[in-house]
Amino acid sequence: ETGVTQTPRHLVMGMTNKKSLKCEQHLGHNAMYWYKQSAKKPLELMFVYSLEERVENNSVPSRFSPECPNSSHLFLHLHTLQPEDSALYLCASSPGQGRSPLHFGNGTRLTVT
Amino acid sequence: QQQVKQSPQSLIVQKGGISIINCAYENTAFDYFPWYQQFPGKGPALLIAIRPDVSEKKEGRFTISFNKSAKQFSLHIMDSQPGDSATYFCAASIRGSARQLTFGSGTQLTVLP
Repeated sequence: ETGVTQTPRHLVMGMTNKKSLKCEQHLGHNAMYWYKQSAKKPLELMFVYSLEERVENNSVPSRFSPECPNSSHLFLHLHTLQPEDSALYLCASSPGQGRSPLHFGNGTRLTVT
Repeated sequence: QQQVKQSPQSLIVQKGGISIINCAYENTAFDYFPWYQQFPGKGPALLIAIRPDVSEKKEGRFTISFNKSAKQFSLHIMDSQPGDSATYFCAASIRGSARQLTFGSGTQLTVLP
C-alpha cells in the first residue's frame, strides 16, 4: 500500500469517550502532521512531528494528544471532546524536515455527540 | 500577517469555460505558493506551485499567475471540465516549509456539464 492511510474513516463518539485516530505513511517521509478541517475555514495545523520531535500549535486544547512512535506512524488520542470538535481530521506527511509538498490522507470524519 | 485570503468561496462554471480563483497575502516573506485540490471524501493533493521569481507557471490546463507587487496570486483553469469539480485551496509558506504552510479558506468549484 502506498501514500498516507488513515483509520477509521468515520468516528462517532460521545463527549466522555476516549478514542484514537491512526495514520500511517508509506512514503519514507520524515515529518508527519495533524490538520483539522472545518467547513469554510482554512486548514488548521494542530501538530507537527519531525524526526520524532513534536512541534505544537499552542491553541490546540489538551483534550487532543498526539503520539508519534516512529517516522511512519502517527496517532491522535481524543478524550472528553466537545461538539465543536466535530470536523475532518487530516494526517499528512512531507519529505525532509517539514519540507513541502504535503501528502494528505483521506481523513477521519469525527462527530462528537 | 500570516493570513491568506481566498475568493470566491464558491464558483460555478460551464463546461469549457475558464475558472479563476484568487488569493491575497500580507506577509512579504512568503516565497512558496502551492495550490491544493480536494475531491469529496479525499484529502487535499498538490496541484501546482509557484515561487515568486516567476510571474506565471502553467501545467496543462492549470496556470498560476503571480503578482508580487500586489501580493496576489491566482489559479486559472482553462477549458474547465466536470471532473475539475472540487475544492481548491491556495497556500503560502516561507522557504517552502510545509511546517509553515498557511492555507486559504477554500473555493468550491462546480463545473456544469
